[in-house]
Amino acid sequence: QVELQEAGPGLVKPSETLFLNCSVSGYSISSGFYWGWIRQSPGKGLEWLGSVFRTGSTFYNPSLTSLHSRVTVSVDTSKNQFYLRLTSVTAEDTAVYFCAKDAGYMYGYFDTWGRGTLVTVSS
Amino acid sequence: EIVMTQSPATLAVSPGERVTLSCGASQSISTKLAWYQQKLGQAPRLLIYRASTRAAGVPDRFSGSGSGTEFTLTISSLESEDFGVYYCQQHDDWPQTFGQGTRLENK
Repeated sequence: QVELQEAGPGLVKPSETLFLNCSVSGYSISSGFYWGWIRQSPGKGLEWLGSVFRTGSTFYNPSLTSLHSRVTVSVDTSKNQFYLRLTSVTAEDTAVYFCAKDAGYMYGYFDTWGRGTLVTVSS
Repeated sequence: EIVMTQSPATLAVSPGERVTLSCGASQSISTKLAWYQQKLGQAPRLLIYRASTRAAGVPDRFSGSGSGTEFTLTISSLESEDFGVYYCQQHDDWPQTFGQGTRLENK
């Protein structure tokens, strides 16, 4: 059974960098599938941020202009983890961040999710 | 990007009732639509993908239908554990996008 668990700081100051990791158990990232990050906030709902493959190949949401060039998704297959890095955070980045497993090779829907981690941006 | 619209925003229902939720896409997405259920404090759970295929372990009281721009999620007989928020998501075009959700409340 595949399980995902997010980890990271609950509070980040404005202009700082948010770094989250997602630990995967029950499945080796090296075996395949894309792995993604989605966030949820009251004002914007669910937003897909980006996804990464075992090779490091990535896709990002081009419609999120507020994230343009600030977000990086990466993977470490030796640790069976993948990561989200978001620079220059603002209050608008306050959200619950979920990591999730794509059902296939960028099928675009997610069949397994982590429990989510609340990130608050505040000084 | 494709805009997903769900209706109604909130639906008050009782256990045992038949429930129908609607989802519309701003352009045709064929049958590339997923439905998720989210309970308070939990992650979304995949219920349906490709408009009508139930995910593993999903009870058969949940069914999905539709194609093009109009989709429906039906719960044939609501159980108490089904209260929560339901989201649709298109997976036809990149970036994948979600609807704003329909909340099922106890009448």
